[in-house]
Amino acid sequence: KAGVTQTPRYLIKTRGQQVTLSCSPISGHRSVSWYQQTPGQGLQFLFEYFSETQRNKGNFPGRFSGRQFSNSRSEMNVSTLELGDSALYLCASSLDPGRGLYFGPGTRLTVT
Amino acid sequence: GESVGLHLPTLSVQEGDNSIINCAYSNSASDYFIWYKQESGKGPQFIIDIRSNMDKRQGQRVTVLLNKTVKHLSLQIAATQPGDSAVYFCAENGPNNDMRFGAGTRLTVKP
Repeated sequence: KAGVTQTPRYLIKTRGQQVTLSCSPISGHRSVSWYQQTPGQGLQFLFEYFSETQRNKGNFPGRFSGRQFSNSRSEMNVSTLELGDSALYLCASSLDPGRGLYFGPGTRLTVT
Repeated sequence: GESVGLHLPTLSVQEGDNSIINCAYSNSASDYFIWYKQESGKGPQFIIDIRSNMDKRQGQRVTVLLNKTVKHLSLQIAATQPGDSAVYFCAENGPNNDMRFGAGTRLTVKP
């Protein structure tokens, strides 16, 4: 069974731009979560989607948003990028909320 | 607020020795815990999990211990190998089914 895939793997943007990251969960997994990972803050929860609905949201500004499609694929969007948004963005899927998370390789976003 | 934390940020062991990585959690309502391993340039990899109705679970070379009395979780790796060098995270599933992660411990295995 193929793992979680994320595209793109690397991205360089400038301040003020917006970015969309994509995630395809493991086949059959209905829950998709997004995390931001930085050296200073570690793994921080962004949001979780299940059946196209946002179930939980972490403590991030409204510039961070996401959505889930009917095939469970998910996208997250960051608008008006700031230098501090530079991070590894990880997507994880699970069969259902509260079950084990399986992570993708991440998208490395650099904001200049 | 509630959080998951780790006692030690780094751990260095000799190849062949056993490793113990510790984690403290503060949400007594958490019912499910997972250990993850993250190697450089990769996403976290699921190692082993344990539910709150258990106090020990064993996998291949790994054992997770859960002490609910003191809200402590540990990962034991037997006969540590160079390939075990990575950052290890504990995660707890809170009452809202949201998975929160600790800061991570970097394990270095010396040959």
